[in-house]
Amino acid sequence: DSGVTQTPKHLITATGQRVTLRCSPRSGDLSVYWYQQSLDQGLQFLIQYYNGEERAKGNILERFSAQQFPDLHSELNLSSLELGDSALYFCASSAQGTGADTQYFGPGTRLTVL
Amino acid sequence: KNEVEQSPQNLTAQEGEFITINCSYSVGISALHWLQQHPGGGIVSLFMLSSGKKKHGRLIATINIQEKHSSLHITASHPRDSAVYICAVKTQGNLIFGKGTKLSVKP
Repeated sequence: DSGVTQTPKHLITATGQRVTLRCSPRSGDLSVYWYQQSLDQGLQFLIQYYNGEERAKGNILERFSAQQFPDLHSELNLSSLELGDSALYFCASSAQGTGADTQYFGPGTRLTVL
Repeated sequence: KNEVEQSPQNLTAQEGEFITINCSYSVGISALHWLQQHPGGGIVSLFMLSSGKKKHGRLIATINIQEKHSSLHITASHPRDSAVYICAVKTQGNLIFGKGTKLSVKP
């Protein structure tokens, strides 16, 4: 158990809908990362937050947005969903958020868009 | 060409064999991560390297910054080592992942 929790574990929805994925970091970790893993693209970095502020942005679509709240949990919002958004979405946390410190991964949310 | 290349893509070994997985990258990095993804999907961070060599149990990771290459070695492999091993490099503000190496260790 990494100490990082993600909810829900599974999500099935329809094209055009909007969903919110939630992540709670390990106790004491200030940084949260979001990743997408699809069968054809592999793992891709989406976005990173550190202590409530956006720190780095990767291949995140404009239809997607994220935030980190004062209690350090984070949410990833996916809107106008398309079939191609079906993927595993992982959240990870780390203490310093440098990208060069160990990241602890949550169990992932499997999103299926029908 | 991908910025992070792993080889081999798939690897089958007999229990007890010594295993090497390679990662080459073409960008400047500040750190390199090795991750293990279990068949159930969970991801565990194995190593973070910026230079030299690290060892944890039967796992050894090395990095050569000049050659832009890292290796992950598994000694005395065991069926429980069966997983996908993923290399990721930290560039400016970003983590770039390799496609992974799927390892299967047969008893």
